[in-house]
Amino acid sequence: AQSVAQPEDQVNVAEGNPLTVKCTYSVSGNPYLFWYVQYPNRGLQFLLKYITGDNLVKGSYGFEAEFNKSQTSFHLKKPSALVSDSALYFCAVRRPGAGSYQLTFGKGTKLSVIP
Amino acid sequence: ETGVTQTPRHLVMGMTNKKSLKCEQHLGHNAMYWYKQSAKKPLELMFVYSLEERVENNSVPSRFSPECPNSSHLFLHLHTLQPEDSALYLCASSQDLGAGGEKLFFGSGTQLSVL
Repeated sequence: AQSVAQPEDQVNVAEGNPLTVKCTYSVSGNPYLFWYVQYPNRGLQFLLKYITGDNLVKGSYGFEAEFNKSQTSFHLKKPSALVSDSALYFCAVRRPGAGSYQLTFGKGTKLSVIP
Repeated sequence: ETGVTQTPRHLVMGMTNKKSLKCEQHLGHNAMYWYKQSAKKPLELMFVYSLEERVENNSVPSRFSPECPNSSHLFLHLHTLQPEDSALYLCASSQDLGAGGEKLFFGSGTQLSVL
């Protein structure tokens, strides 16, 4: 079985400050890890993914995430938050291999960037 | 826009009604998905179609009936729903099911309220 934990329901950060949204995972084998963002009244949008290689993954809108195998974490980061980054962020994990199309999502973390 | 269109955006129905949700993707993708999003819960995968063939049915009650007439269209037929079925229903597509690294493209969802 695979699972994702996003320990914070909400993260508040001041505009211009760095932000971190936490995610830990559990899966057998090497994971495929994803971050998606959901703006109000919209579907989820892909931000970035880790498949293999460099542990630091860069994605859309200046976001990046660091894969840490020993801590089974994949935290989302941005050096300088914008008010427009306020949204709901979902971490997801998938076990690699044909037939493993079950993408397991976390409950989401609401990010509020305060002007 | 992500290239995945869902209609209607909002739907209110009684427990004895029959209604359908529609999803259309303009991306030339081969795989389509239905997800259920309830407040403060992880996204739940309901159904997966690949090349118009259902490949996953995640123990979804029979009051939900999917249909995929071609690779661009996906329907979710609803009948005799329960109030606990009220949620945001999201459609998504991906290029293929593949080996797990594909990103999903989501529609904006249908907000369903069952009275």
